[in-house]
Order: sequence, then C-alpha cells, then structure tokens
Amino acid sequence: EADIYQTPRYLVIGTGKKITLECSQTMGHDKMYWYQQDPGMELHLIHYSYGVNSTEKGDLSSESTVSRIRTEHFPLTLESARPSHTSQYLCASSEQGRGYTFGSGTRLTVV
Amino acid sequence: AQSVAQPEDQVNVAEGNPLTVKCTYSVSGNPYLFWYVQYPNRGLQFLLKYITGDNLVKGSYGFEAEFNKSQTSFHLKKPSALVSDSALYFCAVREDSSYKLIFGSGTRLLVRP
Repeated sequence: EADIYQTPRYLVIGTGKKITLECSQTMGHDKMYWYQQDPGMELHLIHYSYGVNSTEKGDLSSESTVSRIRTEHFPLTLESARPSHTSQYLCASSEQGRGYTFGSGTRLTVV
Repeated sequence: AQSVAQPEDQVNVAEGNPLTVKCTYSVSGNPYLFWYVQYPNRGLQFLLKYITGDNLVKGSYGFEAEFNKSQTSFHLKKPSALVSDSALYFCAVREDSSYKLIFGSGTRLLVRP
C-alpha cells in the first residue's frame, strides 16, 4: 500500500472559497509533485518540489500555489475556487532512480 | 523536450486474448520509461519500468513491456487478458537528467468476458 496520503478524497465547494488540498508522504522522498487530471484522463504537471523550500511551476499553468516547509508535506492551495478548477488532483513523490508513488487523489468540484 | 504518445484512446480485447497498449516517446537523453495503471476513483499504480538492461521488462499482474530504441517505443503487453485488467493505462517518460515524469494521454483498456 502506498505511503502517500491525500485529503480530502472528495470535496464540493462554492465559488470564491479558499481551499487547501493536503498531501503527505512517510517515505522520506525529497521530490514531490502535483498533477491535475482532466475528466478526459490527461495528466498535467502543475507544481513540483525537489526539497524543502523548493517549489516550481509545472508544465500547465495553474492558479494554485504550493508550499514545502517539511519534507513530508506538500499542500496545494486555491485562494479563490472557480468552476474551472473542477478536476482530480493527484499528488506523487519519488526518489532518485525510481518511479513515482501516487496518492489516491482528491476529486474537487466547485459549484 | 521530452514527450510521450499513446496513439489509442481505447483498446478492446476479449478475455484470454493477448493485449498490447502502444507507447512511443521522444527524449534527447537516455529514457527512463514507466507504465502505470489507474482504476476508477484511484490514484496511479506503478506497473513496471525500464531504465537499463534487458529490453523486455516484466512487471506486476503479468504485464510486460518491450523497449525498442530504434522505434522509440515501449509497448505494454500481456499474453492473456483478464476482465479485471480493464482500467486506464498511462505510459510515462523522463530523461536521465530530470526528475519530472511526462505522461501520455492514457489508453482505456476494456477486456470483455
């Protein structure tokens, strides 16, 4: 079983609300990632981190922000949610030479 | 820039028949190649990877993949499909100098009884 946890699993929230999606891993991995998955399946990298206090934007522009204050924790924040943010958000972590370990995802619906 | 192509949105196969899910890639350095599977309402699960060594890689659940450098392909295969193999399959690549995985668009595998 993967040692990377995302909460909440499902979230329905009103437009304009601030939300934080949590992601934690217990494997000590330095590298962590956030992907946004379209309803049509495609995965897009929106943020990544190579270590504490290191965050970078991914290949897909996103209005979300991330922080990496602790190795094990990589939360994603939307300051003002909009219906266009409705998607599944997947968190992952990795160590050198290996593939990614993914969390179960957060399915976000903004109404 | 690195990229991955999965040319088939969906693959249909009868249970017991062999299956192939296609993947081609483009990188400027040495490729690290991966296959992941996603079941409904779940995250991605690792199936197998190629980094170096034998071109035929064996992974979880009886899946295997063949690395073909000349064709820049990494097709996923299984000799005998199960209904429970029905899921989304993602191919991914990264260069040996990068930690970022780039995913293909995904292929939905449907195994009919």
